[in-house]
Amino acid sequence: QVQLVQSGAEVKKPGASVKVSCKASGYNFTNYYIHWVRQAPGQGLEWMGMINPSGGDTNYAQKFQGRVTMTRDTSTNTVYMELTSLRSEDTAVYYCARDVVVIQAAISGGYQGMEAWGQGTTVTVSS
Amino acid sequence: SSELTQDPAVSVALGQTVKITCQGDTLRSYYVSWYQQKPGQAPVLVISGKNIRPSGIPDRFSGSTSGNIASLTITGAQAEDEGDYYCNSRDSRRYHLVFGGGTKLTVL
Repeated sequence: QVQLVQSGAEVKKPGASVKVSCKASGYNFTNYYIHWVRQAPGQGLEWMGMINPSGGDTNYAQKFQGRVTMTRDTSTNTVYMELTSLRSEDTAVYYCARDVVVIQAAISGGYQGMEAWGQGTTVTVSS
Repeated sequence: SSELTQDPAVSVALGQTVKITCQGDTLRSYYVSWYQQKPGQAPVLVISGKNIRPSGIPDRFSGSTSGNIASLTITGAQAEDEGDYYCNSRDSRRYHLVFGGGTKLTVL
C-alpha cells in the first residue's frame, strides 16, 4: 500500500536550517507530485509547495520563496524539504503528501487533492 | 492571492445531517478536496476533486459545488465524525494551492 514515512522530530535554534525527509513506497515514485504542508500549534493547514519527483521541478508558495528548497532522490524514493533562516513562527508539524492522480492527469485534468500523507515531523524552533 | 472561507465551528446531533461549507472565487474554476483531521493525527482525504470518495471513506460523506461555494455533507453523522475539516483547492496563480481555515465539527 502507499506509504510516506517522514524523518523524526527536530529542535533548532533561530536562524538555523532544517531538512525533513519523506520516503515513499508502494507506488511508482516518479508518477505523482509530492506536496509539503505545515500546521502550527492550534492552527490550520498551510501549503508550502510541491515537487515533481520525475524532473525535480518545484513550485513554492509565495510566503516561503527564498527560504524553502524541495529536492528528491529517485534512487531511494525520497523527497526532502529544507527550510532556512528558521524563526519561532516556523514551529509546526510538517507533512508530506502525495497527489491523488498521476502527474499527467493533474496537468490535463486539474489538481484533485492529496491522497496519502506522511505521519508528520515536528519542528521546534527555540533559543 | 485566493482565500477559502470556512465557518470556524459547526455542531450536529447524532444521526442528523450536517453541511460544512467553503467559499472562494476560485471554486468556480477549480476542483475542491476535503480532509478530516483528528487531534494528533495527519489529515485524511474524505472527498477528492470531482467529488469522489476514496476507498474506505463511508458513503455518508459527499461533496458538491455550486458557484463559488463548495459543501461537504455528512448524512447521518456519527460520533467518530468529530474533528476538524479542511477544504483545499487551487489558488488563482500558477498551480499554487490553498486551504480553508478549517471547521471544527462537534457531534452532540
